[in-house]
Amino acid sequence: EIVMTQSPATLSVSPGERATLSCRASQSVSSNLAWYQQKPGQAPRLLIYGASTRATGIPARFSGSGSGTEFTLSISSLQSEDFAIYYCQQYDNWPYTFGQGTKLEIK
Amino acid sequence: EVQLVESGGGLIQPGGSLRLSCAASGFTFSNFWLNWVRQVPGKGLVWVSRINTDGSRTDYADSVKGRFTISRDNAENTLYLQMNSLRAEDTALYHCARDFYGAYDHWGQGTPVAVSS
Repeated sequence: EIVMTQSPATLSVSPGERATLSCRASQSVSSNLAWYQQKPGQAPRLLIYGASTRATGIPARFSGSGSGTEFTLSISSLQSEDFAIYYCQQYDNWPYTFGQGTKLEIK
Repeated sequence: EVQLVESGGGLIQPGGSLRLSCAASGFTFSNFWLNWVRQVPGKGLVWVSRINTDGSRTDYADSVKGRFTISRDNAENTLYLQMNSLRAEDTALYHCARDFYGAYDHWGQGTPVAVSS
C-alpha cells in the first residue's frame, strides 16, 4: 500500500498571502494525484485531479503541481473561505490512499 | 445538481449489522463507479469499498473484506453497504463518493456509525 505523507500538519497563513502544501508518496504515483478540501461538518470537495487539473468550478487561485512522488498544492491570495483541511489522494496503485491532511488556519 | 445522500447509520453493538444506503440524483447513476469512504472524527479519510457500473465487480479494503458487502440498484439510483460483524474500529462517518477516473468528484455528507456496547 502506498503511504501518502502531507506536510506540514498545520499551516498558519494570513489572508491575502500564498499557501503551499506538500504531499509525498512512498513510491511513484505518476500524475494520479488528487487534492480535496474539507470544511467542518462538510463533505470533502475535489479541487485538483491529475496532479494539476482544476475540477469544475474551482477558482484559479488553486493550483497543483508535481509528479512521481512529490506534489504541491498552492493557493494564491488566501480568502477567508479557504481555511480548511486539505487532503491528497493517490489513485495510481490499489488500494487508493489518502494523506493525513494539512490544516490551513488563519494566522 | 449532483446529490448523494447517505442514510442508515446509527449506534450498534459489536458483532451487529447495519445497512447503509446512498440515494443519488442529478446524474446518470448507472454510468459511474461508486465508492464508500469512511472518516473517523478528527482523523483522515480511508477508502472502504467500490463497485463498478453494473455491480459485477467489487473491491474492499482488507480491514472490511469478508464482513462488508457493497451493492447497487441502478433502477432505484441507490448504493448500499451491508456491514456485518461490526467492530469498534468500524466507528466512523461513512461517505459515498462518485468515482471520476480514480478521484472522487462528488461526495455525500456522510452517515455516522458508532459501534459500542
